[in-house]
Amino acid sequence: EVQLVESGGGLVQPGGSLRLSCAASGFTFSNYWMSWVRQAPGKGLEWVGNINQDGSTQHYVDSVKGRFTISRDNTKNSVDLQINSLRTEDSALYYCARDGYGTGSCDYWGQGALVTVSS
Amino acid sequence: QPALTQPASVSGSPGQSITISCTGTSSDVGNYNLVSWYQQHPGKAPKLMIYEVIKRPSGVSNRFSGSKSGNTASLTISGLQAEDEADYYCCSYSRTLPSYVFGTGTSLTVL
Repeated sequence: EVQLVESGGGLVQPGGSLRLSCAASGFTFSNYWMSWVRQAPGKGLEWVGNINQDGSTQHYVDSVKGRFTISRDNTKNSVDLQINSLRTEDSALYYCARDGYGTGSCDYWGQGALVTVSS
Repeated sequence: QPALTQPASVSGSPGQSITISCTGTSSDVGNYNLVSWYQQHPGKAPKLMIYEVIKRPSGVSNRFSGSKSGNTASLTISGLQAEDEADYYCCSYSRTLPSYVFGTGTSLTVL
Protein backbone atom coordinates (compact mmCIF):
# COMPACT_ATOMS: atom_id res chain seq x y z
CA GLU A 1 0.00 0.00 0.00
CA VAL A 2 1.37 3.39 -1.00
CA GLN A 3 1.76 5.69 1.98
CA LEU A 4 3.03 9.25 2.23
CA VAL A 5 3.40 10.79 5.67
CA GLU A 6 4.36 14.44 6.12
CA SER A 7 5.95 15.90 9.23
CA GLY A 8 7.60 19.10 10.41
CA GLY A 9 4.77 21.59 10.27
CA GLY A 10 4.23 24.24 12.90
CA LEU A 11 3.91 27.90 13.85
CA VAL A 12 6.66 30.17 12.55
CA GLN A 13 7.22 33.91 12.62
CA PRO A 14 7.43 35.86 9.36
CA GLY A 15 10.93 35.66 7.95
CA GLY A 16 11.55 32.33 9.65
CA SER A 17 12.34 28.91 8.22
CA LEU A 18 10.86 25.45 8.40
CA ARG A 19 11.69 22.06 6.94
CA LEU A 20 8.93 19.65 6.00
CA SER A 21 9.61 15.97 5.42
CA CYS A 22 7.62 13.30 3.64
CA ALA A 23 8.24 9.62 4.34
CA ALA A 24 7.23 7.31 1.51
CA SER A 25 6.52 3.59 1.58
CA GLY A 26 4.79 0.91 -0.44
CA PHE A 27 6.43 1.65 -3.79
CA THR A 28 9.87 2.00 -5.41
CA PHE A 29 10.49 5.57 -4.35
CA SER A 30 13.48 6.19 -6.63
CA ASN A 31 11.35 5.57 -9.75
CA TYR A 32 9.05 8.57 -9.27
CA TRP A 33 8.99 12.32 -9.44
CA MET A 34 7.57 13.78 -6.21
CA SER A 35 5.57 16.98 -5.79
CA TRP A 36 4.56 19.39 -3.06
CA VAL A 37 1.13 21.01 -3.25
CA ARG A 38 -0.27 23.50 -0.76
CA GLN A 39 -3.71 24.68 0.26
CA ALA A 40 -4.28 27.85 2.24
CA PRO A 41 -7.15 27.69 4.75
CA GLY A 42 -10.45 27.73 2.88
CA LYS A 43 -8.70 28.14 -0.48
CA GLY A 44 -7.84 26.01 -3.48
CA LEU A 45 -4.89 23.83 -4.34
CA GLU A 46 -1.60 25.34 -5.51
CA TRP A 47 1.23 23.31 -7.02
CA VAL A 48 4.47 24.34 -5.28
CA GLY A 49 7.11 22.31 -7.07
CA ASN A 50 8.50 18.90 -7.83
CA ILE A 51 11.73 16.92 -8.03
CA ASN A 52 12.85 14.21 -10.40
CA GLN A 53 13.85 10.68 -9.56
CA ASP A 54 17.52 11.26 -8.72
CA GLY A 55 17.09 14.75 -7.29
CA SER A 56 19.00 16.50 -10.07
CA THR A 57 16.06 18.55 -11.36
CA GLN A 58 13.52 20.65 -9.49
CA HIS A 59 10.77 22.94 -10.71
CA TYR A 60 9.00 25.59 -8.64
CA VAL A 61 6.06 27.94 -8.97
CA ASP A 62 7.24 31.53 -9.38
CA SER A 63 5.95 32.69 -5.99
CA VAL A 64 8.33 30.40 -4.07
CA LYS A 65 11.42 30.47 -6.29
CA GLY A 66 14.51 31.35 -4.32
CA ARG A 67 12.80 30.67 -0.98
CA PHE A 68 11.72 27.02 -1.23
CA THR A 69 14.01 24.07 -1.94
CA ILE A 70 12.93 20.50 -2.61
CA SER A 71 15.38 17.68 -2.00
CA ARG A 72 15.18 13.92 -1.63
CA ASP A 73 17.06 11.02 -0.11
CA ASN A 74 16.39 7.82 -2.02
CA THR A 75 18.22 5.77 0.62
CA LYS A 76 15.66 6.89 3.18
CA ASN A 77 12.64 7.08 0.84
CA SER A 78 12.02 10.67 1.83
CA VAL A 79 11.48 14.04 0.18
CA ASP A 80 11.92 17.36 1.97
CA LEU A 81 10.68 20.89 1.47
CA GLN A 82 12.90 23.59 2.96
CA ILE A 83 10.97 26.82 3.35
CA ASN A 84 12.88 30.03 4.03
CA SER A 85 11.90 33.71 4.36
CA LEU A 86 8.39 32.69 5.30
CA ARG A 87 5.54 35.07 4.59
CA THR A 88 2.03 35.11 6.04
CA GLU A 89 0.72 34.07 2.63
CA ASP A 90 2.72 30.84 2.90
CA SER A 91 0.39 29.67 5.67
CA ALA A 92 -1.18 26.50 4.31
CA LEU A 93 -1.54 22.75 4.53
CA TYR A 94 1.38 21.32 2.58
CA TYR A 95 0.77 18.02 0.82
CA CYS A 96 3.40 15.63 -0.43
CA ALA A 97 2.26 13.76 -3.55
CA ARG A 98 3.62 11.14 -5.92
CA ASP A 99 3.70 12.09 -9.58
CA GLY A 100 2.02 9.38 -11.63
CA TYR A 101 4.63 7.96 -13.99
CA GLY A 102 4.39 10.02 -17.19
CA THR A 103 0.76 10.93 -16.52
CA GLY A 104 1.11 14.54 -15.43
CA SER A 105 -0.94 13.83 -12.34
CA CYS A 106 -0.50 13.23 -8.63
CA ASP A 107 -1.76 9.74 -7.98
CA TYR A 108 -1.13 9.44 -4.24
CA TRP A 109 -1.23 12.12 -1.56
CA GLY A 110 -0.25 12.40 2.06
CA GLN A 111 -2.50 13.91 4.71
CA GLY A 112 -0.59 17.16 4.83
CA ALA A 113 1.52 19.21 7.22
CA LEU A 114 0.16 22.52 8.50
CA VAL A 115 2.37 25.58 8.35
CA THR A 116 1.18 28.73 10.08
CA VAL A 117 3.13 31.94 9.63
CA SER A 118 2.22 34.53 12.22
CA SER A 119 3.84 36.94 14.63
CA GLN B 1 0.86 31.46 -13.32
CA PRO B 2 -2.92 32.13 -13.46
CA ALA B 3 -5.12 29.32 -12.23
CA LEU B 4 -7.39 27.44 -14.60
CA THR B 5 -10.97 28.72 -14.48
CA GLN B 6 -13.71 26.56 -12.99
CA PRO B 7 -17.26 27.45 -11.91
CA ALA B 8 -17.38 28.17 -8.19
CA SER B 9 -20.28 25.80 -7.63
CA VAL B 10 -22.54 23.31 -9.35
CA SER B 11 -25.43 21.27 -8.05
CA GLY B 12 -27.60 18.38 -9.08
CA SER B 13 -30.12 15.92 -7.73
CA PRO B 14 -29.37 12.28 -7.04
CA GLY B 15 -29.33 10.28 -10.26
CA GLN B 16 -28.73 13.30 -12.46
CA SER B 17 -25.58 14.14 -14.39
CA ILE B 18 -23.47 17.24 -13.98
CA THR B 19 -20.48 18.64 -15.85
CA ILE B 20 -17.70 20.81 -14.46
CA SER B 21 -15.67 22.86 -16.91
CA CYS B 22 -12.01 23.83 -16.64
CA THR B 23 -10.78 26.57 -18.96
CA GLY B 24 -7.13 27.23 -19.60
CA THR B 25 -5.02 28.45 -22.48
CA SER B 26 -3.01 27.14 -25.39
CA SER B 27 -0.03 27.00 -23.00
CA ASP B 28 -1.63 24.36 -20.83
CA VAL B 29 -4.98 22.63 -21.36
CA GLY B 30 -5.10 23.35 -25.09
CA ASN B 31 -1.66 21.99 -25.84
CA TYR B 32 -1.30 18.94 -23.61
CA ASN B 33 -3.38 15.86 -22.88
CA LEU B 34 -2.14 16.01 -19.29
CA VAL B 35 -5.30 17.17 -17.56
CA SER B 36 -6.25 15.54 -14.29
CA TRP B 37 -9.18 15.90 -11.90
CA TYR B 38 -9.22 15.59 -8.12
CA GLN B 39 -12.01 15.11 -5.59
CA GLN B 40 -11.57 16.55 -2.11
CA HIS B 41 -13.94 15.95 0.77
CA PRO B 42 -13.78 18.36 3.75
CA GLY B 43 -10.74 17.74 5.89
CA LYS B 44 -9.38 15.11 3.53
CA ALA B 45 -6.53 14.93 1.05
CA PRO B 46 -7.34 15.23 -2.65
CA LYS B 47 -8.04 12.01 -4.55
CA LEU B 48 -7.16 11.48 -8.20
CA MET B 49 -10.29 10.78 -10.25
CA ILE B 50 -9.20 11.33 -13.87
CA TYR B 51 -5.78 11.60 -15.51
CA GLU B 52 -4.57 12.21 -19.06
CA VAL B 53 -7.95 13.85 -19.80
CA ILE B 54 -10.02 10.67 -20.02
CA LYS B 55 -8.37 7.87 -18.00
CA ARG B 56 -9.69 6.58 -14.67
CA PRO B 57 -7.40 5.16 -11.98
CA SER B 58 -8.20 1.70 -10.74
CA GLY B 59 -11.03 1.82 -8.22
CA VAL B 60 -12.64 5.03 -9.46
CA SER B 61 -16.27 4.63 -10.46
CA ASN B 62 -17.08 4.68 -14.18
CA ARG B 63 -19.68 7.33 -13.33
CA PHE B 64 -16.76 9.76 -13.59
CA SER B 65 -15.57 10.69 -17.07
CA GLY B 66 -13.35 13.35 -18.60
CA SER B 67 -13.11 15.10 -21.94
CA LYS B 68 -11.42 18.05 -23.60
CA SER B 69 -12.17 20.44 -26.44
CA GLY B 70 -9.69 23.15 -27.30
CA ASN B 71 -8.63 25.03 -24.17
CA THR B 72 -11.46 23.60 -22.03
CA ALA B 73 -11.51 20.29 -20.19
CA SER B 74 -14.60 18.85 -18.54
CA LEU B 75 -15.47 16.38 -15.81
CA THR B 76 -18.84 14.67 -16.01
CA ILE B 77 -20.38 12.80 -13.12
CA SER B 78 -23.36 10.67 -14.03
CA GLY B 79 -25.86 9.07 -11.66
CA LEU B 80 -25.08 11.57 -8.92
CA GLN B 81 -24.83 10.13 -5.42
CA ALA B 82 -24.73 11.86 -2.05
CA GLU B 83 -21.11 10.76 -1.59
CA ASP B 84 -20.11 12.76 -4.68
CA GLU B 85 -20.67 16.00 -2.77
CA ALA B 86 -17.16 17.46 -2.52
CA ASP B 87 -14.81 20.01 -4.03
CA TYR B 88 -13.35 19.20 -7.44
CA TYR B 89 -10.14 20.56 -8.94
CA CYS B 90 -8.70 20.23 -12.41
CA CYS B 91 -4.98 20.38 -13.05
CA SER B 92 -2.94 20.69 -16.21
CA TYR B 93 0.67 20.51 -17.23
CA SER B 94 1.85 23.91 -18.45
CA ARG B 95 4.81 24.69 -20.67
CA THR B 96 5.41 27.77 -18.52
CA LEU B 97 8.50 27.01 -16.36
CA PRO B 98 7.53 23.99 -16.94
CA SER B 99 5.03 23.45 -14.18
CA TYR B 100 1.57 22.38 -13.23
CA VAL B 101 -1.42 24.62 -12.66
CA PHE B 102 -4.57 23.83 -10.72
CA GLY B 103 -8.07 25.07 -11.36
CA THR B 104 -9.89 27.44 -9.04
CA GLY B 105 -12.03 24.60 -7.69
CA THR B 106 -15.73 23.75 -7.88
CA SER B 107 -17.98 22.89 -4.97
CA LEU B 108 -20.49 20.20 -5.91
CA THR B 109 -23.74 20.04 -3.97
CA VAL B 110 -26.00 17.03 -4.27
CA LEU B 111 -29.49 18.34 -3.56
